[in-house]
Amino acid sequence: QVQLQESGPGLVKPSQTLSLTCTVSGGSISSGGYYWSWIRQHPGKGLEWIGYIYYSGSTYYNPSLKSRVTISVDTSKNQFSLKLSSVTAADTAVYYCARSGYGQHNMDVWGQGTTVTVSS
Amino acid sequence: QTVVTQEPSLTVSPGGTVTLTCASSTGAVTSGYYPNWFQQKPGQAPRALIYSTSNKHSWTPARFSGSLLGGKAALTLSGVQPEDEAEYYCLLYYGGAQPHVVFGGGTKLTVL
Repeated sequence: QVQLQESGPGLVKPSQTLSLTCTVSGGSISSGGYYWSWIRQHPGKGLEWIGYIYYSGSTYYNPSLKSRVTISVDTSKNQFSLKLSSVTAADTAVYYCARSGYGQHNMDVWGQGTTVTVSS
Repeated sequence: QTVVTQEPSLTVSPGGTVTLTCASSTGAVTSGYYPNWFQQKPGQAPRALIYSTSNKHSWTPARFSGSLLGGKAALTLSGVQPEDEAEYYCLLYYGGAQPHVVFGGGTKLTVL
């Protein structure tokens, strides 16, 4: 079965760029049929969708984060990545990657999440 | 900015029935918003329960069901178990020129 695993630095300095990678196992991103999402959860708060990418490279972002977000895909490594620029303490959160079915938008598989703290 | 609203908290007795709802600031929720429901327990990643309004995943217990109710998406738990105590989130998909996804604020369900 498909599994997702987030990886990246757990600590990022303010004003720098947060970079995370999600590695997909048990399935191929390039086979199509799915959107690949990033979601975050601030401490003690709800879920916030950041954006998603299709294997072709088409991207869709949360309008409130769009100016700072870049999501990319590397089909050769079966990975997709998140870059969030100009981070502040407000970007401290648990970051999840997830898969959504194309067409039915069923977000069925999630990674375990990775905690990112923004602090000097 | 689109807002998706859920009840902040609900309490239900074991064996009882409870309905959680999910409303959109843009108007009535329809099947075209492909409502999803997730369960999250402390320290865990969210787990998908329902997609496209009422479809269950293979792992979704039979006591969970999804529907549209009065212009909102709804998640009904029938025969609630103690292990159902958790935070529940809905998700709505907004199509159009700039497709995007919005999560509801979550409902804390207490089984008491």
